[in-house]
Amino acid sequence: SSELTQDPAVSVALGQTVRITCQGDSLRTYYANWYQQRPGQSPVLVIYGKNNRPSGIPDRFSGSSSGNRASLTITGAQAEDEADYHCSSRDSSGNYLEVFGTGTKVTVL
Amino acid sequence: QITLKESGPTLVKPTQTLTLTCIFSGFSLSTSGVGVGWIRQPPGKALEWLALIYWDDDKRYSPSLESRLTITKDTSKNQVVLTMTNMDPVDTATYYCAHRRNSFDSSGYSLNYFDYWGQGTLVTVSS
Repeated sequence: SSELTQDPAVSVALGQTVRITCQGDSLRTYYANWYQQRPGQSPVLVIYGKNNRPSGIPDRFSGSSSGNRASLTITGAQAEDEADYHCSSRDSSGNYLEVFGTGTKVTVL
Repeated sequence: QITLKESGPTLVKPTQTLTLTCIFSGFSLSTSGVGVGWIRQPPGKALEWLALIYWDDDKRYSPSLESRLTITKDTSKNQVVLTMTNMDPVDTATYYCAHRRNSFDSSGYSLNYFDYWGQGTLVTVSS
């Protein structure tokens, strides 16, 4: 089965830009999705597909990918963006399974 | 609007079978491209996908847990049930159900994501 690897933690100054990465073989074939999870809350989808934001997600969130790596960028980070971020995609087995990343804790300073 | 809610025991003993129910509203599990998935999260750890069931009754399981999992749906009751056998303390986690959407973008690439999540239910495995 596939694995998706993320940096455990990153920090960003208020108003600055932070990029969160997700790496795995499945990302060569499938788009990554990104979920934000604030403490004590359920995950919320923030990016899906190539670079799509669900309704209500601020446009400071954007997604990109290259090769086996996908990235979530927060441009002008706000205090409320402090959260865990999880990537996911279909796995590379061809059996239409799902895999989640290891998660990244984003701290806004 | 789409909502999902998990229900089930908060405490199970080792070796017992866990049965969780996801009751949803705002969509039908008979609609093409729609599914419901289960995902869990041990305290302080990452999300782990468990299982998926689709509108056409196609079922997918995490390879590492497949022998212990069963997912079923009752379209008329808007419910999805997950059973996990032989529970162990390492299975202690918050269990989420989520609405799954499968579609394609304008370039023909598949889009597959969980766009609505339940509040989660914490299941503790302990004797």
